Amino acid sequence: DAEITQSPRHKITETGRQVTLACHQTWNHNNMFWYRQDLGHGLRLIHYSYGVQDTNKGEVSDGYSVSRSNTEDLPLTLESAASSQTSVYFCASSGSGTPLNYTFGSGTRLTVV
Amino acid sequence: GDSVTQMEGPVTLSEEAFLTINCTYTATGYPSLFWYVQYPGEGLQLLLKATKADDKGSNKGFEATYRKETTSFHLEKGSVQVSDSAVYFCALMNSGGSNYKLTFGKGTLLTVNP
Repeated sequence: DAEITQSPRHKITETGRQVTLACHQTWNHNNMFWYRQDLGHGLRLIHYSYGVQDTNKGEVSDGYSVSRSNTEDLPLTLESAASSQTSVYFCASSGSGTPLNYTFGSGTRLTVV
Repeated sequence: GDSVTQMEGPVTLSEEAFLTINCTYTATGYPSLFWYVQYPGEGLQLLLKATKADDKGSNKGFEATYRKETTSFHLEKGSVQVSDSAVYFCALMNSGGSNYKLTFGKGTLLTVNP
């Protein structure tokens, strides 16, 4: 069965370190998204991509970057982790023919100490 | 820009009680509207959606009607169960111009007691 997987599920890192969160989907979806979930804020969009080599900034993109070298993967990199980036991160994907139908990963809980 | 405002929680109900979670939105054009549910420790799952005015989305006993005149999409269920305990998110997608981003409300935690 097709799926979207995130890794790791949990990560603790130190302030200033570079961290990469993985997102891999086997739906062959063109659209991929990264959100962060924080209490009192709901989910906020970090970056998104509508296809290979396409990346776009969302509303809270400062301190994050993404790259899209193939259809399946959209890794999220925190260039220099900060305590304000402690959060739960969700990856999602949707198809070009069914853009309203999102599939979400199970999330990565990141703690920056 | 687009925004979603939903009822602040938490909401605590007894089993078989009636549930309403209010959601209103601000958007240009004709957005699609969604309710997502997040069970503890899991990702988000689509609960229901509506893509045009007066559409009613329904699933698992939950319903919501797209009301353009009041820019609302309130979630209702006639009789909640303990298994409905979760966080509920209202969201919109304003797909004009091939924009497929979701804008979420802040979420409402629902706890149903036996």
